[in-house]
Amino acid sequence: GENVEQHPSTLSVQEGDSAVIKCTYSDSASNYFPWYKQELGKGPQLIIDIRSNVGEKKDQRIAVTLNKTAKHFSLHITETQPEDSAVYFCAASRSTGGFKTIFGAGTRLFVKA
Amino acid sequence: DTEVTQTPKHLVMGMTNKKSLKCEQHMGHRAMYWYKQKAKKPPELMFVYSYEKLSINESVPSRFSPECPNSSLLNLHLHALQPEDSALYLCASSQPTGGGYGYTFGSGTRLTVV
Repeated sequence: GENVEQHPSTLSVQEGDSAVIKCTYSDSASNYFPWYKQELGKGPQLIIDIRSNVGEKKDQRIAVTLNKTAKHFSLHITETQPEDSAVYFCAASRSTGGFKTIFGAGTRLFVKA
Repeated sequence: DTEVTQTPKHLVMGMTNKKSLKCEQHMGHRAMYWYKQKAKKPPELMFVYSYEKLSINESVPSRFSPECPNSSLLNLHLHALQPEDSALYLCASSQPTGGGYGYTFGSGTRLTVV
């Protein structure tokens, strides 16, 4: 079945450094790729997304890139801050494929002050 | 209003109890979801409602019974649960096409079955 692989499972960076999380999807028909941030005791929060007709999208300190040929997409966080510490999930879905979103296993990001 | 509200936040129930989880959204989203999340794992889809009709049931045991009374409310009725059902139960909503839009999640109900 379809799956999304996410790496690394844990990432520790110094405050101010950049963090990169990578995902690979298997369903070539996937065309929508959201990223969620989950803080302790809260539900996941959509932080950025990208559609397959776009190669890169940026929102302040976060950016997402998509390589459709390789079926890879990545989250980039620059100038990390302690409040960026959380679990990040990538996901993939089809806009016309019903309601199933496939989540990656998650990356636990620690930003050390 | 851009929130999904879930109640209660915490619930402890015995294996013979009957309880209900509630979810409410006022964003006009016509797709609503129940997810189950175990510690250090991604959310797992349980049920999807689209326009108040059950669209997906991911082979969830019958001790979990969903209900969508109207376009803003989603309930999950629990009966005769097992300790392994202890988890964070998340409600989410989205535009009705589902796959092409991001989800708005609630903060979840932390369920402990004793």
